[in-house]
Amino acid sequence: EPEVTQTPSHQVTQMGQEVILRCVPISNHLYFYWYRQILGQKVEFLVSFYNNEISEKSEIFDDQFSVERPDGSNFTLKIRSTKLEDSAMYFCASSVGDGRLQETQYFGPGTRLLVL
Amino acid sequence: AQSVTQPDIHITVSEGASLELRCNYSYGATPYLFWYVQSPGQGLQLLLKYFSGDTLVQGIKGFEAEFKRSQSSFNLRKPSVHWSDAAEYFCAVGAPGTASKLTFGTGTRLQVTL
Repeated sequence: EPEVTQTPSHQVTQMGQEVILRCVPISNHLYFYWYRQILGQKVEFLVSFYNNEISEKSEIFDDQFSVERPDGSNFTLKIRSTKLEDSAMYFCASSVGDGRLQETQYFGPGTRLLVL
Repeated sequence: AQSVTQPDIHITVSEGASLELRCNYSYGATPYLFWYVQSPGQGLQLLLKYFSGDTLVQGIKGFEAEFKRSQSSFNLRKPSVHWSDAAEYFCAVGAPGTASKLTFGTGTRLQVTL
């Protein structure tokens, strides 16, 4: 069964550094998403992406964050100048996006980011 | 704004016992409702979903959930829990439409005793 994959599974970085989290969505899916889960808290929506544009973003998704579809298979989340509070599990998700109302989002295993 | 409440942070049940995890949502119209499960070190796996129609939905691993509009609830049930069901369970709500963001509850951690 097709699945969303994410790399790396874990990343440790120093405060102020830039990180890029990578995702490979399910191949025939057109909508992509990033969510994050700070330890002990709920999963929060960051951004959705379609046709090389951001469809929707949350208040969390400020200028520090950016997303990109650099090629036909990858979807990336870049975090510039990381802060301690960016430490979280970051989930990528994808959905078919063929115009049907009943969309289901399929999640990857997550990347655990630790900012020191 | 849509929101989800999962009132139980942690539940412990014995293997073979029945299970009900509570989920209450707030949304202006008929929402799309989901239950996801997260095993330790794993991602979010979809258990089941409700979009419309029959209010009792069946999912994977023997789980079911019932949508009750009058109570704004979407409780997850399983008649007989297995030790492998120990995980964190998240209820989520989304608006109808393509690429609608999901709003998650805080999760319920299920512990299963043998």
